[in-house]
Amino acid sequence: GAGVSQSPRYKVAKRGQDVALRCDPISGHVSLFWYQQALGQGPEFLTYFQNEAQLDKSGLPSDRFFAERPEGSVSTLKIQRTQQEDSAVYLCASSLGPGALNYGYTFGSGTRLTVV
Amino acid sequence: AQKVTQAQTEISVVEKEDVTLDCVYETRDTTYYLFWYKQPPSGELVFLIRRNSFDEQNEISGRYSWNFQKSTSSFNFTITASQVVDSAVYFCALSETNSGGSNYKLTFGKGTLLTVNP
Repeated sequence: GAGVSQSPRYKVAKRGQDVALRCDPISGHVSLFWYQQALGQGPEFLTYFQNEAQLDKSGLPSDRFFAERPEGSVSTLKIQRTQQEDSAVYLCASSLGPGALNYGYTFGSGTRLTVV
Repeated sequence: AQKVTQAQTEISVVEKEDVTLDCVYETRDTTYYLFWYKQPPSGELVFLIRRNSFDEQNEISGRYSWNFQKSTSSFNFTITASQVVDSAVYFCALSETNSGGSNYKLTFGKGTLLTVNP
């Protein structure tokens, strides 16, 4: 597609519910990133994929967070047993090459998750 | 650890005023990249500029200009003759080099909300 597409745009979850957030990167982009943006804060790195390999998951805040990209294109960020502190905008970004610095990131519009 | 500080939380100006957004960073890397992104109300982060640590030339793009000074670890962004459409949150970001030498991870500042009033 022309840009990075994320769905749903908004998600309200009851505390304890599991959620799945989807990211469709730009076709052909090798690298995919997830960032978490709390209200009034800058985005914070969660995880990085190069094709289907998850090369860095150091930013995932707990073992309730899980990300996958099984075929090297679409990625899903799953949060189990959601808690109120998980409320944030989850941004996905993709990049043409490995790493991102020579190619730049393209960000999606994000999924705003509200846990009630 | 890397750090990016945007001391200005909110700035409000009247259209046609010039405005400068400050960014100060901390890093131990000798090779790094600095970025500015714009986040309009729609939520996506729009890339504005990337600068590597070896290039201290100032850059101008239309009404936008950037001043990179390694001596003060600053990478400030100026909008000349601001317009209402410039209203957004602006983020400064710094790349981070991991132990393997890859630098794909961005560290963002907290952002500056710019409001341009007609």
